[in-house]
This record gives sequence, C-alpha cells and structure tokens, in this order.
Amino acid sequence: DAKTTQPPSMDCAEGRAANLPCNHSTISGNEYVYWYRQIHSQGPQYIIHGLKNNETNEMASLIITEDRKSSTLILPHATLRDTAVYYCIVRVKIGSARQLTFGSGTQLTVLP
Amino acid sequence: GAGVSQSPSNKVTEKGKDVELRCDPISGHTALYWYRQRLGQGLEFLIYFQGNSAPDKSGLPSDRFSAERTGESVSTLTIQRTQQEDSAVYLCASSLGFPGAVQETQYFGPGTRLLVL
Repeated sequence: DAKTTQPPSMDCAEGRAANLPCNHSTISGNEYVYWYRQIHSQGPQYIIHGLKNNETNEMASLIITEDRKSSTLILPHATLRDTAVYYCIVRVKIGSARQLTFGSGTQLTVLP
Repeated sequence: GAGVSQSPSNKVTEKGKDVELRCDPISGHTALYWYRQRLGQGLEFLIYFQGNSAPDKSGLPSDRFSAERTGESVSTLTIQRTQQEDSAVYLCASSLGFPGAVQETQYFGPGTRLLVL
C-alpha cells in the first residue's frame, strides 16, 4: 500500500492560490492519486484524481511530478468556504473491496 | 437524486437499543460502501457491496453490525444492542463500480451522526 505524507496544517489568504503538497514515494505504477476534502461536520467530498498527467477541473488543479513520488493540489482562488481538511489518497485494495483510507490530512484555513 | 443521501441525519439512542441507518446511493452506481468515522479520526471501512456479488464484510467490527442492500439501490446498516463505543458518524459512499477498474471515484453522503447514551 502506498502511504501518503501531508503537512498537518496550512493557512492561505482569501483570494490567493492554495498549494497543498503530498508525498507518495512508494506509489505503484497503476495507482491513482485522489484528493478529497472534508468540511467540518460534513461527509468527504471528491475533488480530483490523476495518474501521471496534470489534471484540472472546476474545483482544482492537480500537479503530479514526473517520477510520481509527489503531487500538489492547487485551489486557484481560495475562499473561506474552502476551509477544510484535505486528504491525499492513493488507492488501496483489501480483499475484493477498494475502500478509501484517509490519513490525517492537511487542515487548510483560509483567512479573510 | 443528485447525490448520495442518508437518513436520519442524527440519531440519539440508549445503550442496548437497535438502530437502522439508511443510504440511498447515486442512481446507476453499482458499488456502495459504509464507513465509520469517530470524532477527530479517519475513515474506518465497514462493508462493501458490488452489484449482485456477495458483500465484503471484512470491516464489520462485531456481529452486532450487519448491512443489507436491495439490488443496486438502497442499503440499510443495522447495529444491534448499541454500545457507547458505537457513537460516531456513519458515512455511505457509492461509485460506478466498474469491475476490475483501478480507479473508482467514491461519492459520499452527509453521514448519520449516532450518539449512544
């Protein structure tokens, strides 16, 4: 199982880009990197995922290094509502299931 | 519906009582997961349903926990003889569930907050 490492907390000024790093040095060739976030008292929310190419959607951009050992989630214009815990995940398969395993994540606080 | 829904949103029960938690997955999603999240902690996998296959129950913590799913629709998680340690948020997620697919995006419901007194 590929393990991920994230900083425990980060602050970002409202309107600025938030760059959240993640290390996954033991990732396998066919494992995807997923990002979810969890706003206080809500269920986890899917943000984006990628294999090796950079990805962008309406919520964020995902930059994966060429060696795939790390990635960065970019929220281009952070708002107060982006304050949440952000989880970087590499797909884990145990038995027949493909359940997600969340680490401790990064608590992003967007400051006014 | 547009997303995964769960009911009730909150449940307070007395120790020893049985509770039933409901999950309505996104229409067309064949895979359904139940997780538990204790206060300040990460997700704990409970059970996984994929189409008509036998469910993967490897995460259920004890025989007091059981779950059913009717076809590819609603699922019910039942906790019998609840204990205070069962207090947590119970989260349901669904995904398209392509067999053999490595990638599989899971979409979560808002959760049911269970408090056992």
